[in-house]
Amino acid sequence: GAGVSQSPRYKVAKRGQDVALRCDPISGHVSLFWYQQALGQGPEFLTYFQNEAQLDKSGLPSDRFFAERPEGSVSTLKIQRTQQEDSAVYLCASSLRRTAIYTDTQYFGPGTRLTVL
Amino acid sequence: SQQGEEDPQALSIQEGENATMNCSYKTSINNLQWYRQNSGRGLVHLILIRSNEREKHSGRLRVTLDTSKKSSSLLITASRAADTASYFCATVSGVYGQNFVFGPGTRLSVLP
Repeated sequence: GAGVSQSPRYKVAKRGQDVALRCDPISGHVSLFWYQQALGQGPEFLTYFQNEAQLDKSGLPSDRFFAERPEGSVSTLKIQRTQQEDSAVYLCASSLRRTAIYTDTQYFGPGTRLTVL
Repeated sequence: SQQGEEDPQALSIQEGENATMNCSYKTSINNLQWYRQNSGRGLVHLILIRSNEREKHSGRLRVTLDTSKKSSSLLITASRAADTASYFCATVSGVYGQNFVFGPGTRLSVLP
C-alpha cells in the first residue's frame, strides 16, 4: 500500500463496550507506534512495536488498553470497557528501522476517531 | 505528559509573510522533528534535526536547534494558504529511539 491505513475511521461506542482499532502499516516497516490525540492537543505515545515484539507499552493509560501485532505487520489496539475519557483520535504510525535508528521518521495513518457515549 | 511546548499556540499571517514557531523541551534528546497536521488527517513529517546540529533547511523550511536552551524554531518563508495547518515538534529519545514526545502544537492560519 501507499501509506499507513487505519480502520474504522470513525467509531462510536457506548460506555462499557469493547472496541478494536486496526492499523495496517507500510509494507516492510519494522516499527509501529500507537498514539492517542485529544482535541487540540498533540499526540501522546501509547505503545511501540518492533516487528511482533512490544518493546514499550509505558504510555497505555490503564490495563483496559491492550495492543498486539502478532505477525509483525497489522496491529490492533483494543480498549475494553470503554469510558468517556477514552474519546480521542487514535493514530498509528510506522517507520522503517535503519541501522541508524535515531534518524527514523514516522509515517502516520489518518487516525480513528473514537467517541464514547 | 507532553515534553514539548510550542509557542505561539495560534498564529495568523498573510500569504507571503514568514511564520516562526518555537518549541521548548525539558530533557535530553537524540533528535527533534517537526510535523504538520491538516484538519482531520494524520501527521506529515517535515524535517528532522539531530542533537549535534544547529540549523537545517528544506525548501521553504528552516529549523534551528539550541540544546543549551532546549529550544527549537521552525521558520516557514513566503507562506501560502496551503500551509494552513497545525505544526508539532516532537522530541525523540529512548533506547530504541521510540520515545516520541509531541507538544500541543501551533495552529497556523495563512490568509489569502
